[in-house]
Amino acid sequence: KNQVEQSPQSLIILEGKNCTLQCNYTVSPFSNLRWYKQDTGRGPVSLTIMTFSENTKSNGRYTATLDADTKQSSLHITASQLSDSASYICVVSGDSGTYKYIFGTGTRLKVLA
Amino acid sequence: DAGVIQSPRHEVTEMGQEVTLRCKPISGHDYLFWYRQTMMRGLELLIYFNNNVPIDDSGMPEDRFSAKMPNASFSTLKIQPSEPRDSAVYFCASSLRGSSYEQYFGPGTRLTVT
Repeated sequence: KNQVEQSPQSLIILEGKNCTLQCNYTVSPFSNLRWYKQDTGRGPVSLTIMTFSENTKSNGRYTATLDADTKQSSLHITASQLSDSASYICVVSGDSGTYKYIFGTGTRLKVLA
Repeated sequence: DAGVIQSPRHEVTEMGQEVTLRCKPISGHDYLFWYRQTMMRGLELLIYFNNNVPIDDSGMPEDRFSAKMPNASFSTLKIQPSEPRDSAVYFCASSLRGSSYEQYFGPGTRLTVT
C-alpha cells in the first residue's frame, strides 16, 4: 500500500535552534517528493521538489534530503524563526506525469521566542 | 496575479442541506484540483481537471459529491445532501503543465456541517 509517514507528529523548539523533520514512504514507483509548508488557516506552499536523481535541495534556511534507496527524506530547518511555526507536509508522487500524490499527515512545528 | 481564489472562506450548514464551494484558478493554468483536509486523514485529492475535463475522480468519497468546471476560470464542488462527516477544509489548487507540476493552493473553505 502506498503510504507516506512523517515524524514527529509535533515539535516545539526555541527560536534560533535547528530541527529536522522526517518522511518515510512506501510509494512505488517513485517520481518525485515535495515538502510543503502550511501556515494555520492557509493553503500549503511548496518549499522543495526532488526527483529520483536528486539527493539534496535547498530553499533558504530549508534543506531537504532524499535517499531513494531507503525511501527516506528529511527537511532540515536552520536557525529557526517564529515564522517557521507551521505544519510541514511531505508529498510523494508515484507516477511521472500524473497528479496521484500521496500526502503525509504532516509535522506541526512550533517555534517559541 | 491574485492567486487561486476560493469562496466562501467559511460555511456552516445543517445536515441535509446542499453546499456549493467555488474556485477560480490562476489565469492560464490548465489543471485544477480539489482537496479535502481533516486532522485524521490529512490532505486527500478528491478530483482533478485538465482543460476543464475531469481526469480522475476516484477520490470523490460518494455520490453526494460532484464537481464541475464549466470554463477555464471557474469550478464548483457540490455536496448534496451534506453530512456532519463532511466537515473539513476544502482546498482548490491549480497548476500549469511543464512547470514541474507545481500546484498553487487557494486559502481553503472551512466547512462545518451540524
